Amino acid sequence: AQKVTQAQTEISVVEKEDVTLDCVYETRDTTYYLFWYKQPPSGELVFLIRRNSFDEQNEISGRYSWNFQKSTSSFNFTITASQVVDSAVYFCALHGSSNTGKLSFGQGTTLQVKP
Amino acid sequence: DAGITQSPRHKVTETGTPVTLRCHQTENHRYMYWYRQDPGHGLRLIHYSYGVKDTDKGEVSDGYSVSRSKTEDFLLTLESATSSQTSVYFCAISEWTGGHEQYFGPGTRLTVT
Repeated sequence: AQKVTQAQTEISVVEKEDVTLDCVYETRDTTYYLFWYKQPPSGELVFLIRRNSFDEQNEISGRYSWNFQKSTSSFNFTITASQVVDSAVYFCALHGSSNTGKLSFGQGTTLQVKP
Repeated sequence: DAGITQSPRHKVTETGTPVTLRCHQTENHRYMYWYRQDPGHGLRLIHYSYGVKDTDKGEVSDGYSVSRSKTEDFLLTLESATSSQTSVYFCAISEWTGGHEQYFGPGTRLTVT
């Protein structure tokens, strides 16, 4: 079984604040992949990042950064200097190697960035 | 953007009627998926396909069937729609399943009255 928990249902920040979205996962697989997707108000789902279980290096892409820690089964997402355009629902997802084709999503975190 | 289209984009139907949603891709990806999105549940996998005529169930497959007769098309059918199937349905594709990212279509909003 695999499971993803995003405990933060909604987060509200003021523009330029930093914000971290939490993601905790469960899997029995030793090989697995973690993902983040963004769903802006327009409704489409946009792929942001993929991480495999053997690569614990943190990643930075512009204002976005991801912290993967196997010891705590977490894959957190930080937005630095948030902007109004960052307002969206963010989903964390997990694919374990024993679950062919099956991507498990967290419930999502709604981020509102106020001007 | 990945070439994925869904039709229709919006549909209102009555309880008990059959409904078919279509997903079409131009990327020639082997894997295709159907998800539903409901408040508080994130996205949940309904069915997926790993090749023409090869399909398997996801976690919420009851009440749904799928078919894939061509690489580019993946159909989701609600044989007899119920109000609990009111949802937003997303199709996704991926080149392979070994942890490869999935790309999503624009979604279909289905309302069953």
